[in-house]
Amino acid sequence: DAGVTQSPTHLIKTRGQQVTLRCSPKSGHDTVSWYQQALGQGPQFIFQYYEEEERQRGNFPDRFSGHQFPNYSSELNVNALLLGDSALYLCASSVLDRMGNTEAFFGQGTRLTVV
Amino acid sequence: QQPVQSPQAVILREGEDAVINCSSSKALYSVHWYRQKHGEAPVFLMILLKGGEQKGHEKISASFNEKKQQSSLYLTASQLSYSGTYFCGTHSIQGNLIFGKGTKLSVKP
Repeated sequence: DAGVTQSPTHLIKTRGQQVTLRCSPKSGHDTVSWYQQALGQGPQFIFQYYEEEERQRGNFPDRFSGHQFPNYSSELNVNALLLGDSALYLCASSVLDRMGNTEAFFGQGTRLTVV
Repeated sequence: QQPVQSPQAVILREGEDAVINCSSSKALYSVHWYRQKHGEAPVFLMILLKGGEQKGHEKISASFNEKKQQSSLYLTASQLSYSGTYFCGTHSIQGNLIFGKGTKLSVKP
């Protein structure tokens, strides 16, 4: 089992550009959550996808959007990049569980640098 | 609402014990603990569920006080490999994990 895989691992973009990050969940997982982690901070919840729909969304602007495909893989898109968007973007996969009884598995993340 | 962790940082010698606390202002359905080493992804340690059930790590224990909306992670006889940043995550009724800011643990030889 390959676990959760994310691509690319590193990315440098210019302010105003758009970026797409990709995530393949762990085998058997149907739910993908995206997090933004600034240096020295905890992961901040962006949104969660299940059955190709956005289930929940954190406090992030509409510039952040996503998609989930029928094979459960997911993309995170960020438009009109700002310097403040520089961070580690983590994807976590899990089995949908509204009671919080199952663990989430994280990918290695994509380090995005906006210059 | 982001859970609050304390302390922010701990420095230990090998073999010493540590306690990391996590509290929330909202009712908790479960508490998740993760450890992240520098440059790596967070790794699952443990889930604490309402009713006292625990799932996870063999050598690390934790408690969950539902009434006080608090959880504590107990690291006993610490090893060098325990170094990293520990995050607690509280599970909202909507089904997503909200993480605290983390507690940085450094274990020295």
